[in-house]
Amino acid sequence: EVQLVESGGGLVQPGRSLRLSCAASGFTIGDYAMHWVRQAPGKGLEWVSGINWNSNSIDYADSVKGRFTISRDNAKNSLYLEMRSLRGQDTALYYCAKGNRESFYYSALDVWGQGTTVTVSS
Amino acid sequence: DIQMTQSPSSLSASVGDRVTITCRASQTISGYLNWYQQRPGKAPKVLIYTASSLHSGVPSRFSGSGSGTDFTLTITGLQPEDFATYFCQQSFSTPPTFGQGTKVEI
Repeated sequence: EVQLVESGGGLVQPGRSLRLSCAASGFTIGDYAMHWVRQAPGKGLEWVSGINWNSNSIDYADSVKGRFTISRDNAKNSLYLEMRSLRGQDTALYYCAKGNRESFYYSALDVWGQGTTVTVSS
Repeated sequence: DIQMTQSPSSLSASVGDRVTITCRASQTISGYLNWYQQRPGKAPKVLIYTASSLHSGVPSRFSGSGSGTDFTLTITGLQPEDFATYFCQQSFSTPPTFGQGTKVEI
């Protein structure tokens, strides 16, 4: 079964850091672009970051640029999101998602995890 | 960034109805438009990619059309499990952007 499982979320104080992980099973992530998408409580979907199959191309939403770092370990079939200088506006459910292409350009998100919740509050 | 605007924001429909949701891009995105369904408390699922391609396993009552800036998702013969929020997303340029969502209430 094709599956993504996120972990690493939790309650964190403003200004602190957190690292999210996404473990894939049932497919090889090395063949696809991968993404992080977040959803604030009661709100819509916001793309956070994407990384192509070999990590040569990466991009971020302006709202997280300079604070978040996406990475992948194809050997471990895993995706990561390092989040620094967290703000209240970063509070959301964070989804890991698989692209349907090697590149995150022109990519639909065809497999999603169940998400991990990040709450930024003092 | 390309802005995606969906209409309506919500709608009420009955089982068996034909439902149409529209999505408009602030600039041309060719055919790089995807549709997702999100049921309450669940992760989104892709329904349609590149405007009109049905994702594997998605019922044929879902269909998509459009190109350029105007796109449509149609559900023909609404089922109880279709109660959900639907999002469009452009993948033509980065950052990929989503519409605000359309809540379909049965």
